[in-house]
Amino acid sequence: SQQGEEDPQALSIQEGENATMNCSYKTSINNLQWYRQNSGRGLVHLILIRSNEREKHSGRLRVTLDTSKKSSSLLITASRAADTASYFCATDHGQNFVFGPGTRLSVLP
Amino acid sequence: GAVVSQHPSWVICKSGTSVKIECRSLDFQATTMFWYRQFPKQSLMLMATSNEGSKATYEQGVEKDKFLINHASLTLSTLTVTSAHPEDSSFYICSARGPGQGPYEQYFGPGTRLTVT
Repeated sequence: SQQGEEDPQALSIQEGENATMNCSYKTSINNLQWYRQNSGRGLVHLILIRSNEREKHSGRLRVTLDTSKKSSSLLITASRAADTASYFCATDHGQNFVFGPGTRLSVLP
Repeated sequence: GAVVSQHPSWVICKSGTSVKIECRSLDFQATTMFWYRQFPKQSLMLMATSNEGSKATYEQGVEKDKFLINHASLTLSTLTVTSAHPEDSSFYICSARGPGQGPYEQYFGPGTRLTVT
């Protein structure tokens, strides 16, 4: 299966703390994207990192990509209660995406 | 820009009936649309890919006769769940991509929650 894995499956932190989620995949990719999904809602695109990039920032988000280890991490700094959601990585293998199982993040006020 | 809508947002139907879900690209022409299903607390699984005017390509394990996909126009794709059963209850999400957009670009709809009783 091409599907990646994410860890942790669930993460609970206090507001203001940083949250780190990891994603691993099995086959080579063109790029990797991170999405957020609030409960029962659609996906919100957060950030894309290409296979030739190692790190990318967007506001409080920092994404790294290590193609040698076939892994990526998403760091959310200074978390807020509104960051509570599920976070998915999606790897691009050409024609379609393969989503990881996701990390459920709970940010406690 | 790049807004995708789905209708209905939720639907309840009785076992054995069919239900149709619409996916529309509101401000761009979607040459390719994707249908995903998501079970509670699980990830999205691609069901099928449809190109406008062509038959959909189904992922392994997805019954094409049960999940009918029509992509008859550049702004509308429909997913019909035929003879629905309780195990078909799920969250169905579509995404769309237009011409000139990279293969990594997909714009997601808000999803449709289907409950089969």
